[in-house]
Amino acid sequence: GAGVSQSPSNKVTEKGKDVELRCDPISGHTALYWYRQSLGQGLEFLIYFQGNSAPDKSGLPSDRFSAERTGGSVSTLTIQRTQQEDSAVYLCASSRARGFYEQYFGPGTRLTVT
Amino acid sequence: AQSVTQLGSHVSVSEGALVLLRCNYSSSVPPYLFWYVQYPNQGLQLLLKYTTGATLVKGINGFEAEFKKSETSFHLTKPSAHMSDAAEYFCAVSEGFQKLVFGTGTRLLVSP
Repeated sequence: GAGVSQSPSNKVTEKGKDVELRCDPISGHTALYWYRQSLGQGLEFLIYFQGNSAPDKSGLPSDRFSAERTGGSVSTLTIQRTQQEDSAVYLCASSRARGFYEQYFGPGTRLTVT
Repeated sequence: AQSVTQLGSHVSVSEGALVLLRCNYSSSVPPYLFWYVQYPNQGLQLLLKYTTGATLVKGINGFEAEFKKSETSFHLTKPSAHMSDAAEYFCAVSEGFQKLVFGTGTRLLVSP
């Protein structure tokens, strides 16, 4: 079946602009996660959704970052007033439910802020 | 908080040689442990996981890992390396049954 998809695959933006990154999880997966992968920080957790609610937003680095999930499916990560340090690969993952079910990752969105 | 330490940012082996990638974890509760592999410009693919039960876990592509509570380790092994195994490998622990906490990764280089 179809895996986790993310769009766009690459995004180049100017400092100060807003960007939206999209994640389509595997159908039927109720849990959705966003991670960030950068050279300096490795793989970092950003936010977790169970259904449409986000019980854990502890990884969002600043109030410029926000995310939403609608219909228990698609999620959008928004970064406002982008900074150069936001340059990274943003990975989305989904799993069947909360718990120890494995997380399936998408290919990521590579964000470059110039 | 839980954490993972991967010893060695780079590991080089010859094709056909044993692969050993080290992972130690810190957790105040029984951990759930994972190994993921990442090929260039791709997302993460699950190799194997330990939740409960048998401490020797077999995964895809001939990899296996052994959970050793006394050593707080979950090292990844493969008896014979193949050129296609060249990739970056991440060990992770599940925190609160939700987010994954990852190690810094080990790049495996395989020479002919």
